Amino acid sequence: AQSVTQLDSQVPVFEEAPVELRCNYSSSVSVYLFWYVQYPNQGLQLLLKYLSGSTLVKGINGFEAEFNKSQTSFHLRKPSVHISDTAEYFCAVRGSNFGNEKLTFGTGTRLTIIP
Amino acid sequence: DTGVSQNPRHKITKRGQNVTFRCDPISEHNRLYWYRQTLGQGPEFLTYFQNEAQLEKSRLLSDRFSAERPKGSFSTLEIQRTEQGDSAMYLCASSLPEGNTEAFFGQGTRLTVV
Repeated sequence: AQSVTQLDSQVPVFEEAPVELRCNYSSSVSVYLFWYVQYPNQGLQLLLKYLSGSTLVKGINGFEAEFNKSQTSFHLRKPSVHISDTAEYFCAVRGSNFGNEKLTFGTGTRLTIIP
Repeated sequence: DTGVSQNPRHKITKRGQNVTFRCDPISEHNRLYWYRQTLGQGPEFLTYFQNEAQLEKSRLLSDRFSAERPKGSFSTLEIQRTEQGDSAMYLCASSLPEGNTEAFFGQGTRLTVV
């Protein structure tokens, strides 16, 4: 089984400032990691994913994340945020073995951009 | 639009009534998932299908809940004798069968039980 912890429930950031949203996971098997974004009353949109290879992954809208196996973390970063980045961000994990298909999500981090 | 489609987008029902939601996955995706998201929480897994076979069900899926995917294409999620605690966003997602692909989510059905 897997679990995800997003320690920050809310993160306010000034426009054009950098941001880091933290995600830590727990798993007894190798994992795939994902960040999704959710705008109000919408479904989830994939920002980026880590499957294997380079630990630094780049996604859409200028976001990137770094997989750190020793710290079991997958923090999301953006060097300069925009008003349009205001949304809820979810970190998710699933086992990499065949048949372990379901995603386990964190409780989310609400990112608020301050003009 | 070739994304995952869910209907209806919103549903208000009285406690005790039955409701049914529909999900149409991306056409070439043979895996289909249902998740439930309550206010302030992340989505929680309910069940998933590969083609028409229901391969896994969460303990969250009580006997009042049933999901089907009769022809391996669209899926329905039915809740019988709804309770106020069933109020949530119900999300559907689909993916290709290969293990290392991501799930694509629909916009969800928001259920309010009054």
